[in-house]
Amino acid sequence: QLQLQESGPGLVKPSETLSFTCTVSGGPINSGSTYWDWIRQPSGKGLEWIGSFHYTGSTYYNPSLKSRVTISVDTSKNQFSLKLTSVTVEDTAVYFCARRKEAAGTDYWGQGTLVTVSS
Amino acid sequence: DIQVTQSPYSLSASVGDRVTITCRASQILNNYLNWYQQKPGKAPKLLIYTTSNLQSGVPSRFSGSGSGTEFTLTISSLQPEDFATYYCQQNYRVPITFGQGTRLEIK
Repeated sequence: QLQLQESGPGLVKPSETLSFTCTVSGGPINSGSTYWDWIRQPSGKGLEWIGSFHYTGSTYYNPSLKSRVTISVDTSKNQFSLKLTSVTVEDTAVYFCARRKEAAGTDYWGQGTLVTVSS
Repeated sequence: DIQVTQSPYSLSASVGDRVTITCRASQILNNYLNWYQQKPGKAPKLLIYTTSNLQSGVPSRFSGSGSGTEFTLTISSLQPEDFATYYCQQNYRVPITFGQGTRLEIK
Protein backbone atom coordinates (compact mmCIF):
# COMPACT_ATOMS: atom_id res chain seq x y z
CA GLN A 1 0.00 0.00 0.00
CA LEU A 2 1.50 3.29 -1.10
CA GLN A 3 1.77 5.99 1.55
CA LEU A 4 2.75 9.64 1.22
CA GLN A 5 3.85 11.82 4.12
CA GLU A 6 4.47 15.56 3.90
CA SER A 7 6.96 17.29 6.14
CA GLY A 8 7.52 21.00 6.40
CA PRO A 9 7.15 24.08 8.55
CA GLY A 10 3.84 25.09 10.01
CA LEU A 11 4.69 28.79 10.01
CA VAL A 12 6.58 30.86 7.46
CA LYS A 13 7.20 34.60 7.43
CA PRO A 14 6.14 36.75 4.48
CA SER A 15 8.77 37.02 1.72
CA GLU A 16 10.48 33.82 2.90
CA THR A 17 10.65 30.45 1.11
CA LEU A 18 8.29 27.62 1.93
CA SER A 19 9.87 24.17 1.61
CA PHE A 20 8.07 20.84 1.79
CA THR A 21 9.18 17.27 1.35
CA CYS A 22 6.95 14.32 0.58
CA THR A 23 8.26 10.89 1.49
CA VAL A 24 6.83 8.02 -0.49
CA SER A 25 6.71 4.54 1.03
CA GLY A 26 5.36 1.28 -0.29
CA GLY A 27 6.57 1.76 -3.84
CA PRO A 28 9.31 3.40 -5.93
CA ILE A 29 9.05 7.06 -6.81
CA ASN A 30 10.49 6.37 -10.27
CA SER A 31 7.54 4.19 -11.19
CA GLY A 32 6.43 4.48 -14.80
CA SER A 33 3.46 6.48 -16.04
CA THR A 34 3.33 8.45 -12.80
CA TYR A 35 3.07 12.10 -11.84
CA TRP A 36 3.93 13.37 -8.37
CA ASP A 37 1.75 16.35 -7.57
CA TRP A 38 1.56 19.22 -5.11
CA ILE A 39 -1.92 20.59 -4.46
CA ARG A 40 -3.05 23.16 -1.93
CA GLN A 41 -6.29 24.21 -0.30
CA PRO A 42 -6.85 27.46 1.60
CA SER A 43 -9.07 27.03 4.63
CA GLY A 44 -12.70 26.65 3.61
CA LYS A 45 -11.89 26.94 -0.09
CA GLY A 46 -11.29 24.72 -3.09
CA LEU A 47 -8.33 22.78 -4.42
CA GLU A 48 -5.52 24.36 -6.43
CA TRP A 49 -2.97 22.35 -8.40
CA ILE A 50 0.53 23.74 -7.83
CA GLY A 51 2.59 21.51 -10.08
CA SER A 52 3.81 18.04 -10.98
CA PHE A 53 6.95 16.02 -11.48
CA HIS A 54 6.66 13.34 -14.17
CA TYR A 55 8.66 10.14 -13.88
CA THR A 56 10.47 11.04 -17.13
CA GLY A 57 11.98 14.05 -15.36
CA SER A 58 9.66 16.71 -16.74
CA THR A 59 8.09 19.27 -14.46
CA TYR A 60 4.83 21.15 -14.94
CA TYR A 61 3.74 24.20 -12.99
CA ASN A 62 0.61 26.23 -12.56
CA PRO A 63 1.23 29.46 -14.51
CA SER A 64 -0.22 31.43 -11.61
CA LEU A 65 2.69 30.26 -9.43
CA LYS A 66 5.32 29.29 -11.98
CA SER A 67 7.78 32.05 -11.26
CA ARG A 68 7.93 31.05 -7.58
CA VAL A 69 7.70 27.24 -7.66
CA THR A 70 10.26 24.47 -8.00
CA ILE A 71 9.45 20.76 -7.71
CA SER A 72 12.27 18.24 -7.56
CA VAL A 73 12.75 14.55 -6.83
CA ASP A 74 15.37 12.63 -4.87
CA THR A 75 15.04 9.03 -6.03
CA SER A 76 17.69 7.84 -3.56
CA LYS A 77 15.43 8.91 -0.68
CA ASN A 78 12.14 8.19 -2.47
CA GLN A 79 11.11 11.80 -1.87
CA PHE A 80 9.89 14.75 -3.87
CA SER A 81 9.98 18.34 -2.78
CA LEU A 82 8.27 21.69 -3.22
CA LYS A 83 9.83 25.12 -2.88
CA LEU A 84 7.68 28.21 -3.04
CA THR A 85 9.55 31.51 -2.83
CA SER A 86 8.47 34.98 -1.76
CA VAL A 87 5.42 33.78 0.12
CA THR A 88 2.55 36.05 1.14
CA VAL A 89 -0.49 35.56 3.34
CA GLU A 90 -2.26 34.34 0.19
CA ASP A 91 -0.08 31.22 0.34
CA THR A 92 -1.58 30.16 3.66
CA ALA A 93 -3.19 26.78 2.99
CA VAL A 94 -3.13 23.06 3.58
CA TYR A 95 -0.55 21.57 1.24
CA PHE A 96 -1.01 18.04 -0.09
CA CYS A 97 1.41 15.81 -1.95
CA ALA A 98 -0.17 13.18 -4.15
CA ARG A 99 0.34 10.57 -6.83
CA ARG A 100 -1.44 10.60 -10.18
CA LYS A 101 -1.22 7.90 -12.81
CA GLU A 102 -1.38 8.79 -16.51
CA ALA A 103 -4.93 8.64 -17.88
CA ALA A 104 -6.27 8.23 -14.35
CA GLY A 105 -6.96 10.32 -11.30
CA THR A 106 -5.01 11.25 -8.21
CA ASP A 107 -5.30 8.07 -6.22
CA TYR A 108 -2.89 8.50 -3.32
CA TRP A 109 -2.65 11.61 -1.14
CA GLY A 110 -0.66 12.70 1.86
CA GLN A 111 -2.63 13.71 4.91
CA GLY A 112 -2.06 17.41 4.24
CA THR A 113 -0.07 19.94 6.24
CA LEU A 114 -1.24 23.42 7.18
CA VAL A 115 1.17 26.23 6.46
CA THR A 116 0.45 29.68 7.82
CA VAL A 117 2.24 32.70 6.40
CA SER A 118 2.45 35.32 9.10
CA SER A 119 4.97 37.68 10.61
CA ASP B 1 -6.54 27.47 -18.80
CA ILE B 2 -9.50 25.11 -18.91
CA GLN B 3 -12.24 26.37 -16.61
CA VAL B 4 -14.32 23.76 -14.82
CA THR B 5 -17.67 24.82 -13.38
CA GLN B 6 -19.59 22.63 -10.99
CA SER B 7 -23.28 22.84 -10.16
CA PRO B 8 -24.96 23.08 -7.82
CA TYR B 9 -22.71 24.84 -5.33
CA SER B 10 -24.58 23.14 -2.49
CA LEU B 11 -27.24 20.51 -2.24
CA SER B 12 -29.49 19.24 0.53
CA ALA B 13 -30.71 15.67 0.26
CA SER B 14 -31.95 12.77 2.37
CA VAL B 15 -30.61 9.28 2.91
CA GLY B 16 -31.81 7.12 0.04
CA ASP B 17 -32.08 9.99 -2.45
CA ARG B 18 -30.57 9.92 -5.92
CA VAL B 19 -28.24 12.85 -6.43
CA THR B 20 -26.54 14.26 -9.52
CA ILE B 21 -23.71 16.78 -9.66
CA THR B 22 -22.69 18.39 -12.94
CA CYS B 23 -19.33 19.62 -14.15
CA ARG B 24 -18.98 21.75 -17.28
CA ALA B 25 -15.63 22.49 -18.90
CA SER B 26 -14.66 25.42 -21.09
CA GLN B 27 -13.01 23.04 -23.58
CA ILE B 28 -13.43 19.43 -24.67
CA LEU B 29 -11.68 17.16 -22.16
CA ASN B 30 -11.36 13.92 -24.14
CA ASN B 31 -12.93 12.25 -21.07
CA TYR B 32 -10.06 13.28 -18.75
CA LEU B 33 -12.43 14.20 -15.95
CA ASN B 34 -12.20 12.83 -12.42
CA TRP B 35 -14.39 13.07 -9.33
CA TYR B 36 -13.34 13.29 -5.68
CA GLN B 37 -15.03 13.23 -2.29
CA GLN B 38 -13.59 15.26 0.56
CA LYS B 39 -14.59 15.20 4.21
CA PRO B 40 -13.55 17.89 6.71
CA GLY B 41 -9.90 17.69 7.72
CA LYS B 42 -9.16 14.91 5.24
CA ALA B 43 -7.48 14.59 1.88
CA PRO B 44 -9.72 14.17 -1.15
CA LYS B 45 -10.60 10.61 -2.13
CA LEU B 46 -10.73 9.54 -5.76
CA LEU B 47 -14.15 8.17 -6.71
CA ILE B 48 -14.30 8.15 -10.51
CA TYR B 49 -11.50 8.57 -13.08
CA THR B 50 -11.64 9.34 -16.80
CA THR B 51 -15.34 10.10 -16.70
CA SER B 52 -16.81 6.75 -15.79
CA ASN B 53 -14.25 4.38 -14.26
CA LEU B 54 -14.99 3.45 -10.66
CA GLN B 55 -11.89 3.60 -8.48
CA SER B 56 -11.09 0.37 -6.67
CA GLY B 57 -12.91 0.08 -3.34
CA VAL B 58 -15.51 2.75 -4.12
CA PRO B 59 -19.13 1.62 -3.70
CA SER B 60 -21.07 0.97 -6.89
CA ARG B 61 -23.74 3.53 -5.95
CA PHE B 62 -21.27 6.10 -7.34
CA SER B 63 -21.18 6.45 -11.10
CA GLY B 64 -19.90 8.93 -13.64
CA SER B 65 -20.90 9.78 -17.17
CA GLY B 66 -20.53 12.43 -19.79
CA SER B 67 -18.53 13.47 -22.79
CA GLY B 68 -17.14 16.52 -24.50
CA THR B 69 -17.54 19.35 -22.01
CA GLU B 70 -20.35 18.09 -19.76
CA PHE B 71 -19.99 15.43 -17.10
CA THR B 72 -22.04 14.13 -14.20
CA LEU B 73 -21.47 12.30 -10.95
CA THR B 74 -24.46 10.33 -9.71
CA ILE B 75 -25.00 8.78 -6.30
CA SER B 76 -27.84 6.33 -6.74
CA SER B 77 -28.94 6.02 -3.11
CA LEU B 78 -27.37 8.36 -0.59
CA GLN B 79 -25.86 6.83 2.51
CA PRO B 80 -25.02 8.74 5.71
CA GLU B 81 -21.30 8.56 4.95
CA ASP B 82 -21.79 10.29 1.58
CA PHE B 83 -22.44 13.71 3.06
CA ALA B 84 -19.28 15.57 2.08
CA THR B 85 -17.91 17.98 -0.52
CA TYR B 86 -17.40 16.73 -4.07
CA TYR B 87 -14.94 18.08 -6.63
CA CYS B 88 -14.42 17.42 -10.29
CA GLN B 89 -10.94 17.74 -11.80
CA GLN B 90 -9.74 17.93 -15.39
CA ASN B 91 -6.31 16.50 -16.13
CA TYR B 92 -6.48 16.82 -19.91
CA ARG B 93 -4.41 19.97 -20.10
CA VAL B 94 -1.97 21.73 -17.81
CA PRO B 95 -2.74 23.54 -15.60
CA ILE B 96 -4.86 20.87 -14.01
CA THR B 97 -7.98 22.52 -12.68
CA PHE B 98 -10.69 21.65 -10.19
CA GLY B 99 -14.30 22.63 -9.96
CA GLN B 100 -15.22 24.86 -7.06
CA GLY B 101 -16.85 22.01 -5.17
CA THR B 102 -20.38 20.88 -4.32
CA ARG B 103 -21.29 20.62 -0.67
CA LEU B 104 -23.77 17.81 -0.08
CA GLU B 105 -25.68 18.27 3.16
CA ILE B 106 -28.29 16.30 5.03
CA LYS B 107 -31.84 17.61 4.59
